[in-house]
Amino acid sequence: LAKTTQPISMDSYEGQEVNITCSHNNIATNDYITWYQQFPSQGPRFIIQGYKTKVTNEVASLFIPADRKSSTLSLPRVSLSDTAVYYCLVGDRSSGTYKYIFGTGTRLKVLA
Amino acid sequence: EAQVTQNPRYLITVTGKKLTVTCSQNMNHEYMSWYRQDPGLGLRQIYYSMNVEVTDKGDVPEGYKVSRKEKRNFPLILESPSPNQTSLYFCASSFGGSDEQFFGPGTRLTVL
Repeated sequence: LAKTTQPISMDSYEGQEVNITCSHNNIATNDYITWYQQFPSQGPRFIIQGYKTKVTNEVASLFIPADRKSSTLSLPRVSLSDTAVYYCLVGDRSSGTYKYIFGTGTRLKVLA
Repeated sequence: EAQVTQNPRYLITVTGKKLTVTCSQNMNHEYMSWYRQDPGLGLRQIYYSMNVEVTDKGDVPEGYKVSRKEKRNFPLILESPSPNQTSLYFCASSFGGSDEQFFGPGTRLTVL
């Protein structure tokens, strides 16, 4: 099961680009990397998913290097409403099961 | 509206009194899962189900039971709750093979 490591917290200012890096050294060949966002007292919400290189959607970009041992979630021009906890997740496909380890996430605080 | 619902949203109970937290999804998802969230520990998976009558343990299954008799429902059962099961519980669902999970609004449980 690939464990992920993220910074505990980050601060940023409105309008800046924020990059949150996640380490997953033991990622398996079949595993995808998924990022979630969670606001206080709400369930996590899917943001983006990728396997390699770069993925972009209307909310964020995800950069994955060739060795796939890390990934970076990029949030362009953050606003106060982006203040949340962000989780990097690697699904366990190695045994054909679907266990997930969310970890403690990165608490992003956007300042005015 | 596509959603995952949980009931109750808030529950205060006493040690040893059996309780059930219901979870229902209307998206015809094969995969369903239960998580608990505690301060400093992030989200931890309790049980998951790949489909009807197929369930498996997550990382913290002790003290919990689940059943999946219908595709849309995945109740979480605490046969003899203890204070260390005081937590915020989330139910989630997804299409089989997808890491994009849809989360319910959460159930805040307090065991006295």
